[in-house]
Amino acid sequence: GQNIDQPTEMTATEGAIVQINCTYQTSGFNGLFWYQQHAGEAPTFLSYNVLDGLEEKGRFSSFLSRSKGYSYLLLKELQMKDSASYLCALRDDKIIFGKGTRLHILP
Amino acid sequence: DTEVTQTPKHLVMGMTNKKSLKCEQHMGHRAMYWYKQKAKKPPELMFVYSYEKLSINESVPSRFSPECPNSSLLNLHLHALQPEDSALYLCASTGGGSSYNEQFFGPGTRLTVL
Repeated sequence: GQNIDQPTEMTATEGAIVQINCTYQTSGFNGLFWYQQHAGEAPTFLSYNVLDGLEEKGRFSSFLSRSKGYSYLLLKELQMKDSASYLCALRDDKIIFGKGTRLHILP
Repeated sequence: DTEVTQTPKHLVMGMTNKKSLKCEQHMGHRAMYWYKQKAKKPPELMFVYSYEKLSINESVPSRFSPECPNSSLLNLHLHALQPEDSALYLCASTGGGSSYNEQFFGPGTRLTVL
C-alpha cells in the first residue's frame, strides 16, 4: 500500500520562499510528481523526481530522498498567482495523489 | 502537441440518463487515466489503460464503464448515476518519448447528477 503526507495549509508572503514537504511510505517506487492546481482547474505538472537530489526549474525546485521517503517543493520569489493547491503524487504501477497543500500568498 | 482534450466541459444529467465523457491525446502516450475529483479533495484514480488494455480498475461501480477505442481516445460511459457522483472528471496520459516523466491532464468535465 501507499501513504502520502503533506501539510494541509501554508501561508507565505509575496516575494518570499516557501518549502512544501511530502513524506511517503510505499512498497514500490517509480518516481514522485508535484502538481499545482488552482481552484476549479485541472492539475498542472510541475516536476518529476526519480533519483535523489534537487531538480531546479525556474522559480520552482523539487528535492527527493528515496531512503528517507521524503520530498519537498521549493517555491522562490513568490507571486500572488502561486496561491493554489500543491499535490504530491507517487508512482509505482499507478499514480496516487496526496491530499494536497493549500498555499495562501499574502501581499 | 502537448495537450489532452476532454469533452464536454460541463454535463448535467438525470439519474436515468446515459451519457459519455470523451478524452483525446495525440502525444503518442500509451497510458491513459480517468480520475474523479470532488471539491477540495485530491484526484482519485478510477481506471488506467495501458497499451489500450484496462490495467487498473480501482473498484469503481459498474455504472461507470471505460472504453479505449484506440491509442488516442479514452471514453467513460455513464449510466444510472447517483447525485454523489457529481464531481470533476479528469483524464490524463503518460509515457512516450521525451515526455515519459510527465503526466498531462485534460481540463476536465464538470459533471452534475440531478
